[in-house]
Amino acid sequence: DSGVTQTPKHLITATGQRVTLRCSPRSGDLSVYWYQQSLDQGLQFLIQYYNGEERAKGNILERFSAQQFPDLHSELNLSSLELGDSALYFCASSVEYRGGSGELFFGEGSRLTVL
Amino acid sequence: GQQVMQIPQYQHVQEGEDFTTYCNSSTTLSNIQWYKQRPGGHPVFLIQLVKSGEVKKQKRLTFQFGEAKKNSSLHITATQTTDVGTYFCAFAGTYKYIFGTGTRLKVLA
Repeated sequence: DSGVTQTPKHLITATGQRVTLRCSPRSGDLSVYWYQQSLDQGLQFLIQYYNGEERAKGNILERFSAQQFPDLHSELNLSSLELGDSALYFCASSVEYRGGSGELFFGEGSRLTVL
Repeated sequence: GQQVMQIPQYQHVQEGEDFTTYCNSSTTLSNIQWYKQRPGGHPVFLIQLVKSGEVKKQKRLTFQFGEAKKNSSLHITATQTTDVGTYFCAFAGTYKYIFGTGTRLKVLA
């Protein structure tokens, strides 16, 4: 158990719909990262938050947005869903220290299927 | 942006054979991390290397960071069926971790 919690584990929806994925980082971790992993593909960085503030964006579509709340949980919102958005979405958290970052702790992921 | 390439993309080995995956960057890296993702699972951290030429071992796994800090390798000696999965290298950059393309390992019993 990594200590990172993601819900829901599975989600099936239709094209054009909107979904929200939720992530609770490990206790004490201020950083949250979101990654997308399409079938048999690598891990594509979407966005990172630190203590409620967005710090880095990767290849995140304009139809996607995210936020981190004061209690440090994060939500990834995916709208106007397309078939190609079907993927496993991972949330991860890490400890940050002066001079760098530690290891990433991943949640079990949310598998999104768009029909 | 910064990219990290891994080879091979896939590797099938007979149980007991050795396995190596390589990670390459066009630029110098300040660190390299390795993760393992079991089929149907999530990535799990294995190790971090930060020094030029650094070599670390974990039982049958040997991790190496190149002298120029542009490449890294993971070598597994005498593979077992429990080694099945995808191995990713990753670079912890400024506010983001860039993952390599991954090497999927299958071990045939």
